Amino acid sequence: DLVMTQSPDSLAVSLGERATINCKSSQSVLYSSNNKNHLAWYQQKPGQPPKLLIYWASTRESGVPDRFSGSGSGTDFTLSISSLQAEDVAVYYCQQYYNTPYSFGQGTKLEIK
Amino acid sequence: QLQLQESGPGLVKPSETLSLTCTVSGGSISSSRSYWGWIRQSPGKGLQWIGSVYSSGSTSYNPSLKSRVTMSVDTSKNQVSLRLNFVTAADTAVYYCARHLFRSSWFDFWGQGTLVTVSS
Repeated sequence: DLVMTQSPDSLAVSLGERATINCKSSQSVLYSSNNKNHLAWYQQKPGQPPKLLIYWASTRESGVPDRFSGSGSGTDFTLSISSLQAEDVAVYYCQQYYNTPYSFGQGTKLEIK
Repeated sequence: QLQLQESGPGLVKPSETLSLTCTVSGGSISSSRSYWGWIRQSPGKGLQWIGSVYSSGSTSYNPSLKSRVTMSVDTSKNQVSLRLNFVTAADTAVYYCARHLFRSSWFDFWGQGTLVTVSS
């Protein structure tokens, strides 16, 4: 099974500053047939289901603010929030859909410093 | 806009069967390329994909749960169902249903989730 490992487990960033969350997969999630990375990012706030932010590693879901961006390829990926807002406090997860069983990272808790 | 709603007992006894239903509104579960997944979240294990089902009844399960899981669809009611047999305390979790597409298997629509506690 493909294992997704996020770092750090928790992160405190000042309002208006940049937040960066990393996700590493135990094998490449770059699919040769479409040359796309099969990786998504989600945001989860307390008492709510995860919300899709990014798919194909860097494509923002409709309605997601452009301060959220995804990058990376192969086994190493990053979710960045360019200017942290109070409403961005949440737990963030990466997910691989390269193969089944689909798997998620353990989550990164983002707080305000 | 698709809406998903999980329902079922919030308390299940050990060794019994957990049964949940996900009712889909705002669209048909038979829509092309749509798969319906079940994901659970417990403090100890984070988010875990349980499996997915297509409107034809075709299924894909997580091998770690495969021996205990059954998923099915009822197109007449626009519902998908999950059964998990022989539950233990380790199966206590919030259970979500969510939609993904064939070959684009990120989860774009989620239900609110339902907490299932396994306890005698």
